[in-house]
Amino acid sequence: DVKVTQSSRYLVKRTGEKVFLECVQDMDHENMFWYRQDPGLGLRLIYFSYDVKMKEKGDIPEGYSVSREKKERFSLILESASTNQTSMYLCASIAVVGWVEQFFGPGTRLTVL
Amino acid sequence: AQSVAQPEDQVNVAEGNPLTVKCTYSVSGNPYLFWYVQYPNRGLQFLLKYITGDNLVKGSYGFEAEFNKSQTSFHLKKPSALVSDSALYFCAVRDRPGGSYIPTFGRGTSLIVHP
Repeated sequence: DVKVTQSSRYLVKRTGEKVFLECVQDMDHENMFWYRQDPGLGLRLIYFSYDVKMKEKGDIPEGYSVSREKKERFSLILESASTNQTSMYLCASIAVVGWVEQFFGPGTRLTVL
Repeated sequence: AQSVAQPEDQVNVAEGNPLTVKCTYSVSGNPYLFWYVQYPNRGLQFLLKYITGDNLVKGSYGFEAEFNKSQTSFHLKKPSALVSDSALYFCAVRDRPGGSYIPTFGRGTSLIVHP
């Protein structure tokens, strides 16, 4: 059974803290994504990666960075968390060939106080 | 550029009645189309996809969707709604290989099924 896992389901951090969100997929997918989900705004793409050590900015990269040192792992980093980064964060992966749909992790609900 | 529109923020239906969640899309080439469902505090789960072939696509949990190229629509349907179908539904479009592999999502439609 294919799986995308995220390190935390719920996370509470304080303003100014450095926050790491981890995502791991076991499907050997080349492409991985980080989205942010807010009510009424749908899914907004923060960053994506199409290969190890490769990354591209999505629609809302400001305030975020990413790291992909291994194919199966894609990390989202909030260098200095702010209250407006309180949101649901979703990780996803997709294959280059074969299955064309994305596989999503369970999400991390981050609250920044 | 590709885009997806889900014109309804919320759809209300009585249990046992048919349901439709609407989606229209815009893409330069031929599309891959998807529906995902999200239950509260969960990630998105894949429901069904259209790639090619039969315009009526059947998916998980009794859902189906009809691809209409002339109307650029991909509406999600179910003949008889269940209370447990209440969730947030997302439509997504992706261009075919050779185009962008990054899907574009609609804003989501909240489906509420009343007992």
